[in-house]
Amino acid sequence: DAGITQSPRHKVTETGTPVTLRCHQTENHRYMYWYRQDPGHGLRLIHYSYGVKDTDKGEVSDGYSVSRSKTEDFLLTLESATSSQTSVYFCAISELGAGPQETQYFGPGTRLLVL
Amino acid sequence: GDSVTQMEGPVTLSEEAFLTINCTYTATGYPSLFWYVQYPGEGLQLLLKATKADDKGSNKGFEATYRKETTSFHLEKGSVQVSDSAVYFCALSGSARQLTFGSGTQLTVLP
Repeated sequence: DAGITQSPRHKVTETGTPVTLRCHQTENHRYMYWYRQDPGHGLRLIHYSYGVKDTDKGEVSDGYSVSRSKTEDFLLTLESATSSQTSVYFCAISELGAGPQETQYFGPGTRLLVL
Repeated sequence: GDSVTQMEGPVTLSEEAFLTINCTYTATGYPSLFWYVQYPGEGLQLLLKATKADDKGSNKGFEATYRKETTSFHLEKGSVQVSDSAVYFCALSGSARQLTFGSGTQLTVLP
């Protein structure tokens, strides 16, 4: 199994509060991704990183920011949580990035409930 | 933009039944195609992949063939087991160099 951990695994918060989710990898992979999983939508990309301090937006980036100050850590921040951000959040890593040899390895997920 | 369409679930089968989960895609160029599986309470795992037309990906008894003429990548297994119960996601890696996922198909296999 790829060495990916996410913390916290479960969180309940209130609307308007800031929330930070952490993804930690031990594989030294260059690419890291944050997805959200919602019924009927599969997984949708929020943000991704292709190196330390190098990040870019995905399909559903509004309301989210990310930071990557070390290869092994990728943080997802909800500056002011809303109920529409209630979801399961998955981190993924990839050595090669998107392309024919792309294989992404996923963390166990964080279940976030915004009341 | 790129998109993936999977058959609606949930799918319920008896053990040893034949499984097909349909997947079609829209993409420019020549995408790579993937099937990921998510077991209860876990993250996604790569099940199989194909990188060019007519390639067949296979793993754990599952197979899928990259059909460019029909833009399809249907997942099949000849005899399912209870342990195959999971959510299955079709995905592609295309011109945007990002993975695009289908909505997932829940499979339940009954003993």
